[in-house]
Amino acid sequence: KAGVTQTPRYLIKTRGQQVTLSCSPISGHRSVSWYQQTPGQGLQFLFEYFSETQRNKGNFPGRFSGRQFSNSRSEMNVSTLELGDSALYLCASTQGAFGTEAFFGQGTRLTVV
Amino acid sequence: AQTVTQSQPEMSVQEAETVTLSCTYDTSESDYYLFWYKQPPSRQMILVIRQEAYKQQNATENRFSVNFQKAAKSFSLKISDSQLGDAAMYFCAYRSASGTASKLTFGTGTRLQVTL
Repeated sequence: KAGVTQTPRYLIKTRGQQVTLSCSPISGHRSVSWYQQTPGQGLQFLFEYFSETQRNKGNFPGRFSGRQFSNSRSEMNVSTLELGDSALYLCASTQGAFGTEAFFGQGTRLTVV
Repeated sequence: AQTVTQSQPEMSVQEAETVTLSCTYDTSESDYYLFWYKQPPSRQMILVIRQEAYKQQNATENRFSVNFQKAAKSFSLKISDSQLGDAAMYFCAYRSASGTASKLTFGTGTRLQVTL
């Protein structure tokens, strides 16, 4: 069974640009969550999608958005990039609405210059 | 809001020895899940062990075990017979059992070094 796949693995963007990151969950998993990991702030929850609906959102500005498709694949978008958005973005998938174990992808390393 | 605290930024252990990583949390909920995740240099978060709050028995997974003290809101991880491959960042995480959301709240992590 394939794990959680995140693409791309690395990205370099310029301030002011926008970026889209992709996450394919484990087959059969319907919940996808996104986390931002930085040395200063640690791991912070961005948002969670289940069956194409956002059911939880962290404390991030509106520049951060996401969506989930009917095949459970999810994308997150960051517009008007700032230097502080440089981080490792992790995606996790969970089986079903009450799944307790989250499986993580290897992350996308975003560098904003 | 729930918080998770890991007070040991770094720990070191000799190969084959035992080490305990500490974690405390704060919550007003009675039903929840606690996890320890390992993040090696590859960056992928790997679940080490899970504990359901309603279970009094401490979870065990091979060389990994927890000491779950619900009243004290403490959840420490013991690694026995440490191996070089155990070197990584370890994160303690909390998840509410109410509702359907899967949000995890993480601690700041403990970097574990394993020496020969």
